[in-house]
Amino acid sequence: DTEVTQTPKHLVMGMTNKKSLKCEQHMGHRAMYWYKQKAKKPPELMFVYSYEKLSINESVPSRFSPECPNSSLLNLHLHALQPEDSALYLCASSQPTGGRVNTEAFFGQGTRLTVV
Amino acid sequence: AQSVTQLGSHVSVSEGALVLLRCNYSSSVPPYLFWYVQYPNQGLQLLLKYTSAATLVKGINGFEAEFKKSETSFHLTKPSAHMSDAAEYFCAVLKAAGNKLTFGGGTRVLVKP
Repeated sequence: DTEVTQTPKHLVMGMTNKKSLKCEQHMGHRAMYWYKQKAKKPPELMFVYSYEKLSINESVPSRFSPECPNSSLLNLHLHALQPEDSALYLCASSQPTGGRVNTEAFFGQGTRLTVV
Repeated sequence: AQSVTQLGSHVSVSEGALVLLRCNYSSSVPPYLFWYVQYPNQGLQLLLKYTSAATLVKGINGFEAEFKKSETSFHLTKPSAHMSDAAEYFCAVLKAAGNKLTFGGGTRVLVKP
C-alpha cells in the first residue's frame, strides 16, 4: 500500500469557521508533511513532522495548527482563515532522511479548500 | 541553500516528438533530486529519483533523467510524447537535514495531436 489518503477532498468554509484536514498513511513512514499549493504554482512547504514531533514550521500563520496524533495520522486544524488561504492542501509522507537514500515523498490527492 | 530552477514554464510538443524538460540545481553537496508529475486536480506522483547510485535514471511512463554534475543539471526526457503526458512537471531537491523537499517552479507540458 503506497497510498496517502486525505479527507475531505473539497472543503468550503467561512472565515469564522473551525475545520480540520486529515491525512493518513500506512506505509510505516515516520516523516509527514503539509504543503500548500496555489493555482499554477509549485507546492510550498508548511510543516514537517519527524517521528511525530514538529521539526519544521515555515513561518506559517497561527490560524493553521498542525497535529500528529500518531505515526499514521496528520491533521491540520483551521481557524479564522482568510480568502487568500484558499488553495490545494497536500499531505505527504516519507522515511526521515537520517542518511537514508530511499527518501521519496508520497503525496495524497489533496484537499481543495475555499474560504468564503 | 539547496534549490532547483526549471527553465521554461510551458513546453508544447507534438505527439510522438521528444519531450525535454530542464532542471538545474544549486547545491554544495551531491543532492537528492526528484521529478514529480501532477495531473489536473490531483496530487503529485513520483516519476523518478536520483540518489547517486547511477547518473542515468529510468522512471515510470517511459521517462528518464540524467544527472550531470559538471552542468548541475537533471533534465527529464521522454523519446516519444503521448497525449496522456499533458500535465505539470516539477523538479525537486531534498535537503537531508530536516527532510525538506523544495520544488522548482514547474513546467506545464502541452501535447498537440
